[in-house]
Amino acid sequence: AQSVAQPEDQVNVAEGNPLTVKCTYSVSGNPYLFWYVQYPNRGLQFLLKYITGDNLVKGSYGFEAEFNKSQTSFHLKKPSALVSDSALYFCAVRDMRNAGNMLTFGGGTRLMVKP
Amino acid sequence: DAGVTQSPTHLIKTRGQQVTLRCSPKSGHDTVSWYQQALGQGPQFIFQYYEEEERQRGNFPDRFSGHQFPNYSSELNVNALLLGDSALYLCASSLIGEQFFGPGTRLTVL
Repeated sequence: AQSVAQPEDQVNVAEGNPLTVKCTYSVSGNPYLFWYVQYPNRGLQFLLKYITGDNLVKGSYGFEAEFNKSQTSFHLKKPSALVSDSALYFCAVRDMRNAGNMLTFGGGTRLMVKP
Repeated sequence: DAGVTQSPTHLIKTRGQQVTLRCSPKSGHDTVSWYQQALGQGPQFIFQYYEEEERQRGNFPDRFSGHQFPNYSSELNVNALLLGDSALYLCASSLIGEQFFGPGTRLTVL
């Protein structure tokens, strides 16, 4: 079985400050890891993924994420937050051994960036 | 490229009714997955279709069924609707790698 935990329901940050949205995962095999963002009344928009290789992954809109195998974490980061980054963020995992590409999502973290 | 499209955008049904939701995948994608996102929660995997067959299924009852057509588009059918089926239903398509999501269909069961 695979699972994802996003321990913070909401993260508040001031514009221009760095942000971190936390994610931990559990899978039987090696993980594929993803971050998606959801704006109000919209579907999910892909931000970045980790498959293999460099533990620091860079994605869209200046976001990056760091894969830490020993801590089973994949935290999302951005050096300088924008008000327009305010949205709902979801971490997801897929087990590499899984023939299909079913994703298991966390419960989501609402990011609020204040001017 | 139109991306993943879903129809209808919104739908209101009453308990016991049946509903069909539709999804057209991103051009070139052959795999379609369906997710249910209840209010305030993350999406939950319903099932996935590949080569017109259900390849993988999540923990959803048989009331939830689907179909994939030769052009890779897909339908999600839900029978005997319950109040708890009210949610945003998301379709995602993929070829290999990451899944691309549509805008969703908001289903309200009264």
